[in-house]
Amino acid sequence: SQKIEQNSEALNIQEGKTATLTCNYTNYSPAYLQWYRQDPGRGPVFLLLIRENEKEKRKERLKVTFDTTLKQSLFHITASQPADSATYLCARRFSGGYNKLIFGAGTRLAVHP
Amino acid sequence: NAGVTQTPKFQVLKTGQSMTLQCAQDMNHEYMSWYRQDPGMGLRLIHYSVGAGITDQGEVPNGYNVSRSTTEDFPLRLLSAAPSQTSVYFCASSQRTGDGPQHFGDGTRLSIL
Repeated sequence: SQKIEQNSEALNIQEGKTATLTCNYTNYSPAYLQWYRQDPGRGPVFLLLIRENEKEKRKERLKVTFDTTLKQSLFHITASQPADSATYLCARRFSGGYNKLIFGAGTRLAVHP
Repeated sequence: NAGVTQTPKFQVLKTGQSMTLQCAQDMNHEYMSWYRQDPGMGLRLIHYSVGAGITDQGEVPNGYNVSRSTTEDFPLRLLSAAPSQTSVYFCASSQRTGDGPQHFGDGTRLSIL
């Protein structure tokens, strides 16, 4: 079955450092992976998408990589700030043509001043 | 634009009661879905719809019903609430196909006593 696995332990880092979050998937490579941010009491908000044929994607301080050999995506936040503290979710598409997504459980990031 | 609106935000039910969680979107999205989010388990797909009059089951459909009479609305019904349905419920919408992001509401926090 298709699964998405994220590190369930919270990641604590100092302000200014780079945060790196991991997303591992099973079975065949998905056409793309999506990353979302979720704040307490709110719904997830889309951040970035990376396609299977893209090794890396950047958006401001965010960078996502996609390694089909390792079946893994890494999500980096450079120069992290306390405002980056949130839970980050990785998602892949179910098999089939529709935009159905499978989500990982998310990794909570805490950036300390 | 309001995006995806969910009501109510909080609800407490007794076992055996029924209720409907409302979801409306104003982005003319064909695809809508319901997820439940439980600690450590991530978002799990309950039901989804690819257009008015078309619905299908997700990963965890038991105990829930849906219908889609308009593009804008996608209500989720609990016919006989059980304590195992205590969760946070999120509605999302997106383009029907392709790799567009999911747009989420802010959730309904449901407790079944």
